[in-house]
Amino acid sequence: AIQLTQSPPSLSASVGDRVTITCRASQVIASALAWYQQTPGKPPKVLISDASNLESGVPSRFSGSGSGTDFTLSITSLQPEDFATYYCQQFYSFPRTFGQGTKVEVK
Amino acid sequence: QLQLVQSGPEVRKPGASVKVSCKTSGYSFATYIITWVRQAPGQGLEWLGYVNPYSGGSNYVESLQGRVTMTTDTSTKTAYLDLDNLTSGDTAVYYCARGLSTEWFDYWGQGTLVTVS
Repeated sequence: AIQLTQSPPSLSASVGDRVTITCRASQVIASALAWYQQTPGKPPKVLISDASNLESGVPSRFSGSGSGTDFTLSITSLQPEDFATYYCQQFYSFPRTFGQGTKVEVK
Repeated sequence: QLQLVQSGPEVRKPGASVKVSCKTSGYSFATYIITWVRQAPGQGLEWLGYVNPYSGGSNYVESLQGRVTMTTDTSTKTAYLDLDNLTSGDTAVYYCARGLSTEWFDYWGQGTLVTVS
């Protein structure tokens, strides 16, 4: 199975900050990567598909980049509702796998 | 509106079985794949597998092979997850999610907590 390693596992930030989360795959996965946001007690919400395609209704402050093995999720000007845990997920091969998550906390 | 509504929390003893349902509405049920994902307390997300309501085809994670069955009932637009021979390691919130393919998942159920104790 393809392993996804996210870094950092957690970070502290303030409203208005720019935040960057990375996801590294254990093998090449082309652009077969999605990003999700999850808040406590809620299901995940898809933000990005195909590594860089912003899903409908997702604010433009979110962006994704990368291909091959290294991927990035960026949030410009962090908003209060963005404090959450973020997961990457690969769909290059089965079984689908998720990164371990990155928790964005209030500084 | 589009919804995936899951059944309520379950408590089972080790060795027992559980069936979680996911009732959908607001979209063409047969057009979208249903995927199941679980999340152990305080942990990350684990993909369990998917079922295709149109074909009935399915694919499961190897670690659950032999214990898991995913099915659908197109007449009621409901998907089901059956998990047998439960252990404490199966304690988790189980989510159903839909996707146009098996790739990523755009709408999720609210989750069903299954506790094995």
